[in-house]
Amino acid sequence: GESVGLHLPTLSVQEGDNSIINCAYSNSASDYFIWYKQESGKGPQFIIDIRSNMDKRQGQRVTVLLNKTVKHLSLQIAATQPGDSAVYFCAENKGYSTLTFGKGTMLLVSP
Amino acid sequence: SQTIHQWPATLVQPVGSPLSLECTVEGTSNPNLYWYRQAAGRGLQLLFYSVGIGQISSEVPQNLSASRPQDRQFILSSKKLLLSDSGFYLCAWTSGRTDTQYFGPGTRLTVL
Repeated sequence: GESVGLHLPTLSVQEGDNSIINCAYSNSASDYFIWYKQESGKGPQFIIDIRSNMDKRQGQRVTVLLNKTVKHLSLQIAATQPGDSAVYFCAENKGYSTLTFGKGTMLLVSP
Repeated sequence: SQTIHQWPATLVQPVGSPLSLECTVEGTSNPNLYWYRQAAGRGLQLLFYSVGIGQISSEVPQNLSASRPQDRQFILSSKKLLLSDSGFYLCAWTSGRTDTQYFGPGTRLTVL
């Protein structure tokens, strides 16, 4: 079936560096994508979303890029902080208001 | 503003015992509601979703069931728990006008 996957299971960066988390999706008909952050023992927290009619969207310290040609999604975090350490999931709209989630990437930020 | 609650926060149950997890949403009406399960170190698996009272769609066949007795209440149940039912159970909602899902704090279930 259709799936969403992540290239890197773990990403380690130094505080202050920029982080890039990647995600590949397989459903070319998906028109909506979301990035979530999940800290240990907590529910996923919405970070940023993007529709398929856009290729870039910026938030506070975060940017999501969408490349529909290669079905690739990325989350960029500027000036990464220790509080950014968490697991990050991408998700795509599966239709009927349901989402398909990737397996997640753990971001580890060292002070 | 909207808030979502789940309880209990943690639960330890013996194999074969029943289960009832509750999720409620405040500050919105007629939300779409979702139940997910997350195994340790894994992604989220959609179990059930509901677009209205009494309407339940099942994504994965298993010994779990869901019910929506009220507009903003979603319940996950089991008659007899299995060891494989252990995991982190998450409830989520969306307004139906957008696809963005917002998650509750989760329930950690351990079946022994």
